[in-house]
Amino acid sequence: ILNVEQSPQSLHVQEGDSTNFTCSFPSSNFYALHWYRWETAKSPEALFVMTLNGDEKKKGRISATLNTKEGYSYLYIKGSQPEDSATYLCASYKLSFGAGTTVTVRA
Amino acid sequence: GAVVSQHPSRVICKSGTSVKIECRSLDFQATTMFWYRQFPKKSLMLMATSNEGSKATYEQGVEKDKFLINHASLTLSTLTVTSAHPEDSSFYICSARGIGEGAAEAFFGQGTRLTVV
Repeated sequence: ILNVEQSPQSLHVQEGDSTNFTCSFPSSNFYALHWYRWETAKSPEALFVMTLNGDEKKKGRISATLNTKEGYSYLYIKGSQPEDSATYLCASYKLSFGAGTTVTVRA
Repeated sequence: GAVVSQHPSRVICKSGTSVKIECRSLDFQATTMFWYRQFPKKSLMLMATSNEGSKATYEQGVEKDKFLINHASLTLSTLTVTSAHPEDSSFYICSARGIGEGAAEAFFGQGTRLTVV
């Protein structure tokens, strides 16, 4: 299993502010990295699948970058809104998840 | 996105009995299905990965005789918690992935809240 680690565990963001957080992983034998969003009382929802070094993917105000050489991926939320409040999970290609970063956006 | 249906959403059972949870992919063929357990205030812990027609691969520390996984078809996987005990009470959730292996996204079921009394 490719162990992934996420930081920080939680963060609070003021509405309108931008934020980012990290998923780190062993850089050897990289295949793919997944980002999911998990809102309370809902099922986890896929955001991005990152495969190539230097990848940058975007979905609305959320984007992600990938650095396979140094073993990290960043997830960015631009202009945070209350509906962005969720736990953001990253996972290895075998879908073993990290502990998640719980984002709370304050109005 | 694709739809994965998990049933039941909630179940209460007596200690010593077995409980079966179903995970179905409704509109795609799931070559791989994953079963997770969530401990209180924790993230999703991968229990096992199953490929259609073959035995499940269990993660370290997960008892295969306790948590029986069957993936008999490309649209159905089942998790049976055998001889359930109160410590098995938890939130169990499945996900399913089609072709594309590690670079394909997976779709999650709604989860099952198991309470063993």
